[in-house]
Amino acid sequence: QVHLVQSGGGVVQTGGSLRLSCAASGFNFRTYGMHWVRQAPGKGLEWVAFIRYDGAVQFYSESLKGRLTISRDNSKDTLYLQMDSLRPDDTATYFCAKDIGYFGSGNFYFDSWGQGTLVTVFS
Amino acid sequence: QSVLTQPPSVSGALGQRVTISCTGNSSNIGAGYDVFWYQQLPGTAPKLLIDGNANRPSGVPARFSASKSGASASLAINGLQGEDEADYYCQSYDSSVRVAFGGGTKVTVL
Repeated sequence: QVHLVQSGGGVVQTGGSLRLSCAASGFNFRTYGMHWVRQAPGKGLEWVAFIRYDGAVQFYSESLKGRLTISRDNSKDTLYLQMDSLRPDDTATYFCAKDIGYFGSGNFYFDSWGQGTLVTVFS
Repeated sequence: QSVLTQPPSVSGALGQRVTISCTGNSSNIGAGYDVFWYQQLPGTAPKLLIDGNANRPSGVPARFSASKSGASASLAINGLQGEDEADYYCQSYDSSVRVAFGGGTKVTVL
């Protein structure tokens, strides 16, 4: 059974940085692409970033490019999201999600989700 | 503004059938890309409800079904139950932005 357990997050001042983690188990992590998706309070889902199974390819939402870095450590079965230059409108619950595709460059659909971690940015 | 358009809310009585529409365009659903549906119960993470082949993961009741036609898709709940109160999101691949979500539909059981 797939488990994605998130950590990190919290409260940070505008301009600050945070790193989110997502520890995976129950599947062969190194063979699947992974994503981050966020949800502002009371709002809908917004895709943030994707990383290929081997970490060699990353894609970002155009609106967030340059301030976020997705990475992974396949030796630790862990996904990361480094968030820099944070702004109040980055306040959201961030979810990691597993791509449905096996190897490849991502199908961009999600079959498992982490529990979410709240990031609050104050000015 | 979401790329895919869903009604903000739908409601129905216990046992009733409700449907949720999801309208896209030629960059996503209309281009033939699959539509996935996710259910988000209050205070929890989204969960895959129906995949692009209209298959339900293990544990999802058979009262949930999905269809697609042209640039639109729909989710149907037959025999609405109290535990179906949740937000529902459609999602498709999009050739411009890669991932397109609908704005979400809140289902209320009367």
